Amino acid sequence: NAGVTQTPKFQVLKTGQSMTLQCAQDMNHNSMYWYRQDPGMGLRLIYYSASEGTTDKGEVPNGYNVSRLNKREFSLRLESAAPSQTSVYFCASSEDGGREQFFGPGTRLTVL
Amino acid sequence: GENVEQHPSTLSVQEGDSAVIKCTYSDSASNYFPWYKQELGKRPQLIIDIRSNVGEKKDQRIAVTLNKTAKHFSLHITETQPEDSAVYFCAATLGTGNQFYFGTGTSLTVIP
Repeated sequence: NAGVTQTPKFQVLKTGQSMTLQCAQDMNHNSMYWYRQDPGMGLRLIYYSASEGTTDKGEVPNGYNVSRLNKREFSLRLESAAPSQTSVYFCASSEDGGREQFFGPGTRLTVL
Repeated sequence: GENVEQHPSTLSVQEGDSAVIKCTYSDSASNYFPWYKQELGKRPQLIIDIRSNVGEKKDQRIAVTLNKTAKHFSLHITETQPEDSAVYFCAATLGTGNQFYFGTGTSLTVIP
């Protein structure tokens, strides 16, 4: 089992460019999450999906959109990247809410 | 929403000593409290968790205590080893909720 996988691992964008971060899990989990991690800020929830076909805003959703493509895949889209979105992005999944979350390896995004 | 505060932000201990990290939360309805360890450049991984119907939980050298009345919980690591050096994050959520609120992290250094 690969667990949670993310692509790409690194990305550099110019202000205003768009991109999609991909995430997939092979553990048949219902819930999936997108976090951003900034120095001194811990992990902050951007969006989550409690089950296939549903998505909800987390703590810091502005500037992002998500798609729960199927049970396995949950993507994060930046429509018009801004320098404030420079961060490390982690995808995670869990069997259900209130359970252990398994994290992907992360994507380091720099917006110039 | 929930607010989780974590202290200290950095902690250095001699190998073999104990380390204690404390977190407080604001929402009395929160009832699931996991702790994650993140080594440098790696993904966060769950090390121990506790639910509100339990006051203490131990797993070998790691223990977590919960005081619901005071709304705080703590991570205790005994007989620390160099491989315990990492950043530790606490989190809180409602029991079946998907909105996890993380503390800002504690960077633990174990000095050989």
